[in-house]
Amino acid sequence: GQQLNQSPQSMFIQEGEDVSMNCTSSSIFNTWLWYKQDPGEGPVLLIALYKAGELTSNGRLTAQFGITRKDSFLNISASIPSDVGIYFCAGRVAGANSKLTFGKGITLSVRP
Amino acid sequence: DARVTQTPRHKVTEMGQEVTMRCQPILGHNTVFWYRQTMMQGLELLAYFRNRAPLDDSGMPKDRFSAEMPDATLATLKIQPSEPRDSAVYFCASGRTSGGLADTQYFGPGTRLTVL
Repeated sequence: GQQLNQSPQSMFIQEGEDVSMNCTSSSIFNTWLWYKQDPGEGPVLLIALYKAGELTSNGRLTAQFGITRKDSFLNISASIPSDVGIYFCAGRVAGANSKLTFGKGITLSVRP
Repeated sequence: DARVTQTPRHKVTEMGQEVTMRCQPILGHNTVFWYRQTMMQGLELLAYFRNRAPLDDSGMPKDRFSAEMPDATLATLKIQPSEPRDSAVYFCASGRTSGGLADTQYFGPGTRLTVL
């Protein structure tokens, strides 16, 4: 089955810094999604990408659908303390009934 | 602000007991997903439904888990009998699919299950 790799497991940054996360897959995906999970809550969708090369922003967040369709990147600019959480990438191969595959997530800590 | 709701938010039970978790998808969404999240395995898809019909439950241990959608506003996940290894957070997510296009999933707050 498809697998998504997110590394490292944890990242520690200083408030105000930019941070970049990437996600790679062993399969070609048609859809890439980025979610954030706060403690005690469910994952919340941040950005959805549907086309290779697509670059989409949501406030301080920017995500890109890799040209090879096997990777995606999420950038957070000017980090703030509330950016703390777990960031998951998820992808889906072609097919109406195909399932989302999730990465294991990256835990982001932001030092004030 | 439409949201997926899940009940209960927390459940502590003893091994061997039946556990029922409920989910109300966002109104108008036609796909419902059940996930289990643990530290070791991350998010695992257990089952999903489209238009109330089960499409895939291959991720679910069949001997003790069952998932149903009695109507469009309610999805249930049952574990009988429960075991300590079932302890996890169970998420329901809903989405809308039309014309074969990929749906975007919106997650509920989860049910944290502890089986003693």
